[in-house]
Amino acid sequence: EVQLVESGGGLVQPGGSLRLSCAASGFTFSSHWMHWVRQAPGKGLVWVSRINSDGSSTNYADSVKGRFTISKDNAENTLFLQMNSLRAEDAAVYYCARAVLSTRNSLDIWGQGTMVTVSP
Amino acid sequence: QSVLAQPPSASGTPGQRVSISCSGSSSNIGSNTVIWYQQLPGTAPKLLIYRSSQRPSGVPDRFSGSKSGTSASLAISGLQSEDEADYYCAAWDDSLSGVIFGGGTKLTVL
Repeated sequence: EVQLVESGGGLVQPGGSLRLSCAASGFTFSSHWMHWVRQAPGKGLVWVSRINSDGSSTNYADSVKGRFTISKDNAENTLFLQMNSLRAEDAAVYYCARAVLSTRNSLDIWGQGTMVTVSP
Repeated sequence: QSVLAQPPSASGTPGQRVSISCSGSSSNIGSNTVIWYQQLPGTAPKLLIYRSSQRPSGVPDRFSGSKSGTSASLAISGLQSEDEADYYCAAWDDSLSGVIFGGGTKLTVL
């Protein structure tokens, strides 16, 4: 079964750090671009970051640039998001998602999401 | 990050055809393909349309997408109660070098 499973969310103080993981299974992880998308409670979807299939190229939303780092371990079939200097406005459910093969941004497989709460 | 403009809400009765618009600019919809997602309450988004008009396998042909200039639309024909959900458009933005989403449209089936 094609699956993405996120982990690593939780409660963190403002200024703190968290590392999210996304374990992929059931497909050739090394062939796909991967993304992180977040959604604050009751709000819309917001794109966070993407990484190309071999992990050599990344893009970030302006709101997280310089604070978040996306990475990809193709040997371990795992996507990561290192989040530093967290702010209250970063609180959200974070989804990892897979791009359709031969596309870069059409996300056809999504994880269940992991909740990040930023509070003193 | 900028957002694509979508109406906050839409509605229709069972069997009806509804359309949801998505307005952007030359740096996003005008130069890149449009993606549509459906999000049922409490669940992760689901890919409905990509490359502006292509349906992934498993998506009913009641759902169709189109693009013209800097705008796009999602049409749902033969509306069903299970179509009640939030719908989001998205596109790559060349100026921002990032993906931008619409604010979402909540579809109610009356």
